[in-house]
Amino acid sequence: EDQVTQSPEALRLQEGESSSLNCSYTVSGLRGLFWYRQDPGKGPEFLFTLYSAGEEKEKERLKATLTKKESFLHITAPKPEDSATYLCAVQTGTEGYQKVTFGIGTKLQVIP
Amino acid sequence: NAGVTQTPKFQVLKTGQSMTLQCAQDMNHNSMYWYRQDPGMGLRLIYYSASEGTTDKGEVPNGYNVSRLNKREFSLRLESAAPSQTSVYFCASSESNRRNTEAFFGQGTRLTVV
Repeated sequence: EDQVTQSPEALRLQEGESSSLNCSYTVSGLRGLFWYRQDPGKGPEFLFTLYSAGEEKEKERLKATLTKKESFLHITAPKPEDSATYLCAVQTGTEGYQKVTFGIGTKLQVIP
Repeated sequence: NAGVTQTPKFQVLKTGQSMTLQCAQDMNHNSMYWYRQDPGMGLRLIYYSASEGTTDKGEVPNGYNVSRLNKREFSLRLESAAPSQTSVYFCASSESNRRNTEAFFGQGTRLTVV
């Protein structure tokens, strides 16, 4: 069974204090790994897709990396507006429907 | 550009009542999905529609039915609501369920069954 574990569950940072969120996964046949941002009362918003180990993607203060067992979302010099829950999801499957399994998320709070 | 629109945003039902959650997307996506999100659990897939005219069960389909009305619309029906169906429901769409395409989510429907 595909499993996705995100850590920590919650993270509180001072503005400007860089850190990383972890997403570890146990799947067979990874097709892609997604990062989403979810604000309170809203639906998840797509951030990145990573396809293979060694791949990196960046957007503003966020950088996502992927290894064979885990992904990291690095947040550099965060601002209060980066406060949100960050969700990781893995896509698996070879034919037909490609299943997507979500983690529980990391709730990030950035304090001014 | 509206993206994925869900109605209603909030709903309170009594046990045994029925209701339909509506979802529409304007991105010409082929695939649509219904998820539920509960505290301490990741998003779980209820049903999906890979393309117009097809629907399939996801991880937690019991107690729900769906209809892919056309390419734009995908509805979720609770025939006889139970307290265990209290949750936040999200509709999503993607270009395809076969390729590694990201999903776009609606704002969610917060449902309480009393």
